[in-house]
Amino acid sequence: AQKVTQAQTEISVVEKEDVTLDCVYETRDTTYYLFWYKQPPSGELVFLIRRNSFDEQNEISGRYSWNFQKSTSSFNFTITASQVVDSAVYFCALSAYTQGGSEKLVFGKGTKLTVNP
Amino acid sequence: ETGVTQTPRHLVMGMTNKKSLKCEQHLGHNAMYWYKQSAKKPLELMFVYNFKEQTENNSVPSRFSPECPNSSHLFLHLHTLQPEDSALYLCASSQQVAGGYEQYFGPGTRLTVT
Repeated sequence: AQKVTQAQTEISVVEKEDVTLDCVYETRDTTYYLFWYKQPPSGELVFLIRRNSFDEQNEISGRYSWNFQKSTSSFNFTITASQVVDSAVYFCALSAYTQGGSEKLVFGKGTKLTVNP
Repeated sequence: ETGVTQTPRHLVMGMTNKKSLKCEQHLGHNAMYWYKQSAKKPLELMFVYNFKEQTENNSVPSRFSPECPNSSHLFLHLHTLQPEDSALYLCASSQQVAGGYEQYFGPGTRLTVT
């Protein structure tokens, strides 16, 4: 069965520090997708990125970057020069399939990031 | 209209009450989901609907009853709930075509069972 592990339960940094959130996944599928979501205190999960298992190129979007390494089954997320507004719970997720054949997401337990001024 | 809306945002109900949660998506997606998020627990997938057909019931107790009248609307009917059912209930939608499409979430309903 698919599984996502986010070993870091909580991380606290000071503004402008770089921070990396770890994500390790398990799957037997040859084609799969990985995702990161952000959940601010308001509660709504916000989609950040999707990565195809065949595309191991790193991606950068502003202060955010993602490192996908198939060899270690990891999909880590780095925030450069963190800001207070980055404070949230971040979830890593992996695609899977329901018994009925629909796609679903398997989520990790999340990492709570607090950025202090 | 924003992508996925949920009503009510907050709900307090007694164990003998019957209430319903509503979710509506304005994204033209064909799949909708209910998740439960409790304190200190990971997101739990409850139900999946694909083209209005239920394709996943993740061993959810019968006191939770979903309804999907069309691809844009999803309901969760609640009756005789327990205090441990207090949680944030999140609705999501996605376009299931070739695989790997992200889900878009609503703001959630914060449910408290007294």
